Amino acid sequence: DIQMTQSPSSMSASLGDRVTITCQASQDIGNNLIWFQQKPGKSPRPMIYYATNLANGVPSRFSGSRSGSDYSLTISSLESEDMADYHCLQYKQYPLTFGSGTKLEIK
Amino acid sequence: EVQLVESGGGLVQPGSPLKLSCAASGFTFSSNWLNWIRQAPGKGLEWVASINPDGSSTYYPDTVKGRFVVSKDNAKNTGYLQMNNLRSEDTAMYYCARRLSFDYWGQGVMVTVSS
Repeated sequence: DIQMTQSPSSMSASLGDRVTITCQASQDIGNNLIWFQQKPGKSPRPMIYYATNLANGVPSRFSGSRSGSDYSLTISSLESEDMADYHCLQYKQYPLTFGSGTKLEIK
Repeated sequence: EVQLVESGGGLVQPGSPLKLSCAASGFTFSSNWLNWIRQAPGKGLEWVASINPDGSSTYYPDTVKGRFVVSKDNAKNTGYLQMNNLRSEDTAMYYCARRLSFDYWGQGVMVTVSS
């Protein structure tokens, strides 16, 4: 099975900060990775497809990148509405596997 | 408008079965994959099952293989997750989501397994 190691598990940042969350894949997944945002009591919302492609309606301050087996979600300038949990998902092969999640709080 | 609405959750005893439904609207259900994902209270997301558009292929993680069965009735625009021999560790919010891109999710339904 492919393990997705997500870090950090939680973080606190100030409004306007640049924030980066990372998932490391234990095997090659190509660009077959999705980033989700999940606000309290809500269903997950896809933010980034195929590692780097912004989903429809997602603000341009969000971006995705890849360096080898490391995949990153970056928020260029943090806004209050970005407070949420973030999850990565690899869909290269079954079983599909999620990262353990990152809780992003606003200072 | 694409909509997915789960139903069928509740409180059950360990070892009991339960069947969840996912009613779809606003898109061609018969042409789309359907997935089930769960989230235990305060925990992360776990993929539970996927089924291809015509229902001929299904996929599960080892944690539910042999106990859970995913199906879809394209005539009724509804997907199902039959859960058998439920355990306390199956307690979670269960979501259905469309496509392998997981682009639309339902609101989720809670399943609690407890004596």
